[in-house]
Amino acid sequence: GDSVTQMEGPVTLSEEAFLTINCTYTATGYPSLFWYVQYPGEGLQLLLKATKADDKGSNKGFEATYRKETTSFHLEKGSVQVSDSAVYFCALSEEDTGRRALTFGSGTRLQVQP
Amino acid sequence: EPEVTQTPSHQVTQMGQEVILRCVPISNHLYFYWYRQILGQKVEFLVSFYNNEISEKSEIFDDQFSVERPDGSNFTLKIRSTKLEDSAMYFCASGRGGEQYFGPGTRLTVT
Repeated sequence: GDSVTQMEGPVTLSEEAFLTINCTYTATGYPSLFWYVQYPGEGLQLLLKATKADDKGSNKGFEATYRKETTSFHLEKGSVQVSDSAVYFCALSEEDTGRRALTFGSGTRLQVQP
Repeated sequence: EPEVTQTPSHQVTQMGQEVILRCVPISNHLYFYWYRQILGQKVEFLVSFYNNEISEKSEIFDDQFSVERPDGSNFTLKIRSTKLEDSAMYFCASGRGGEQYFGPGTRLTVT
């Protein structure tokens, strides 16, 4: 079945540091890929997405590129802020096979220190 | 900006009781979902609903669970006889195409 693997956290960075959160996936079809963010006490918010190979999703300074050859969708940001502290979830769905349900990774907690 | 809302934010119930979790999806969305997150674990898919019927469900979604869209705006998840292991955060989501938008969740505590 489908699965998503994320690097374990917590990831602790100083403000303005470069962020990478690794995500790899296993899918039977051609999935769409997503990053969601969960701020403390809140629900999941869609951060960015990509639907085909080599697409780059971007939002709020975050980017991720759909790499089919390495089955990866790593999240990056050039300069993190304290307000980016949250849990980040990588996810996929397989609409091409009629499966819209999201399969999530285990989440990576990011802590940014001033 | 429209958003998904859920009520209550926290529900405490005794084992064996029935609970109904309520969601109001974004109004022009066509697909509706329930997910849950047991503390410290992954977010897991339960069920999706389209065109007034279940379109997908996971193995977690057994006979104890049911979903309903009783009117044009609400989407509910019923757990018939709660167990301790049903304690989790339950998230509702809605979407039109590939994207899903999540509500803030209902924390269910079964004692």
